[in-house]
Amino acid sequence: EAGVVQSPRYKIIEKKQPVAFWCNPISGHNTLYWYLQNLGQGPELLIRYENEEAVDDSQLPKDRFSAERLKGVDSTLKIQPAELGDSAVYLCASSRGNGASETQYFGPGTRLLVL
Amino acid sequence: GNSVTQMEGPVTLSEEAFLTINCTYTATGYPSLFWYVQYPGEGLQLLLKATKADDKGSNKGFEATYRKETTSFHLEKGSVQVSDSAVYFCALRVAGANSKLTFGKGITLSVRP
Repeated sequence: EAGVVQSPRYKIIEKKQPVAFWCNPISGHNTLYWYLQNLGQGPELLIRYENEEAVDDSQLPKDRFSAERLKGVDSTLKIQPAELGDSAVYLCASSRGNGASETQYFGPGTRLLVL
Repeated sequence: GNSVTQMEGPVTLSEEAFLTINCTYTATGYPSLFWYVQYPGEGLQLLLKATKADDKGSNKGFEATYRKETTSFHLEKGSVQVSDSAVYFCALRVAGANSKLTFGKGITLSVRP
């Protein structure tokens, strides 16, 4: 079974530029998550999708961040414009359901550096 | 709110040494508890989990017991290997409409031959 796929793996941009990250979850997983991981910290949830619906986006900075999950499969996370403080690793994860004991499967992440 | 506290790192051990990584938590409800591991250059992967008090999760020689009375979920391994070198994250999740996985800061383990 293929794991969660993310691209690109690395991205370097100048501040104020836009950037987008793509995620392909494990086949059959209805729930998709985007996390932000700062250096030396654990991941923090940005947004959670159930199929194509964003059911928890309370931690997403909506002034510059947006996300979509068209057709309930792949997802894209966008930042526009990027700021220096956005430099971090962006992780995508998926799970079959959304129970508290459900295992989340993580992709390798996209490491973003904003100059 | 919900939070996870992990012991400060990094931790460096010799091969075959005994490992304990402490994890304590606070939760507004009844959490499920997890240990995730991140090997160099890879994504996080579930190491083990426990969903109710006194449950013991185990995998790859690692164990952790859900201790409700001490709100702890310490990770142990009797004999570490060089291949166990990684970053270890303790996490919890409480059931509910907007429940989310809450992680600790992680701790880096280095095992030398």
